[in-house]
Amino acid sequence: GESVGLHLPTLSVQEGDNSIINCAYSNSASDYFIWYKQESGKGPQFIIDIRSNMDKRQGQRVTVLLNKTVKHLSLQIAATQPGDSAVYFCSFGGYQKVTFGTGTKLQVIP
Amino acid sequence: EPEVTQTPSHQVTQMGQEVILRCVPISNHLYFYWYRQILGQKVEFLVSFYNNEISEKSEIFDDQFSVERPDGSNFTLKIRSTKLEDSAMYFCASSYLQGSNQPQHFGDGTRLSIL
Repeated sequence: GESVGLHLPTLSVQEGDNSIINCAYSNSASDYFIWYKQESGKGPQFIIDIRSNMDKRQGQRVTVLLNKTVKHLSLQIAATQPGDSAVYFCSFGGYQKVTFGTGTKLQVIP
Repeated sequence: EPEVTQTPSHQVTQMGQEVILRCVPISNHLYFYWYRQILGQKVEFLVSFYNNEISEKSEIFDDQFSVERPDGSNFTLKIRSTKLEDSAMYFCASSYLQGSNQPQHFGDGTRLSIL
């Protein structure tokens, strides 16, 4: 069946600290994972993706970790900035569509 | 960086009227999608489109909905007879390759308000 990311609804982080947003999934057949960021009034913005044959991938200030054993995905944001405030979704790239979870709202405290 | 653009940003329509939402996908992308997000809820898949035909659609995408690529650049979503529950943000997305290895890129949406 479909995987849906399960998130904590909110995360508050001090500006400059690192953020870790976690996601669990249920379908062990999921093979492609994408993190999107959605700012208020905007569409989902692609951040980083990872395939199931990897367990870590790094981008600019972001790192995604994939633990297939426990079906867990995380997004790490280094030196969190006010512009990082948004809702973050882990999502699953199905053959035709992206399945979104409910997301985690990241609040950056100045 | 190329982006998906959507117009209008906000559409207000009387219930029962037809509405067309417009999207210009990224120019070299081949796969096109519509999603919607009811206020406070998850982003939900509506339909995917490739090679001038629908490749997958969700239960939400009933006979009131249709999609079209009328020319080489636009991709439209038509709702034939709008209902109050159609009020939502509608997002268009596109990707170069379909399937498990390519991210979809989203526009900033059209807010549809049905009165």
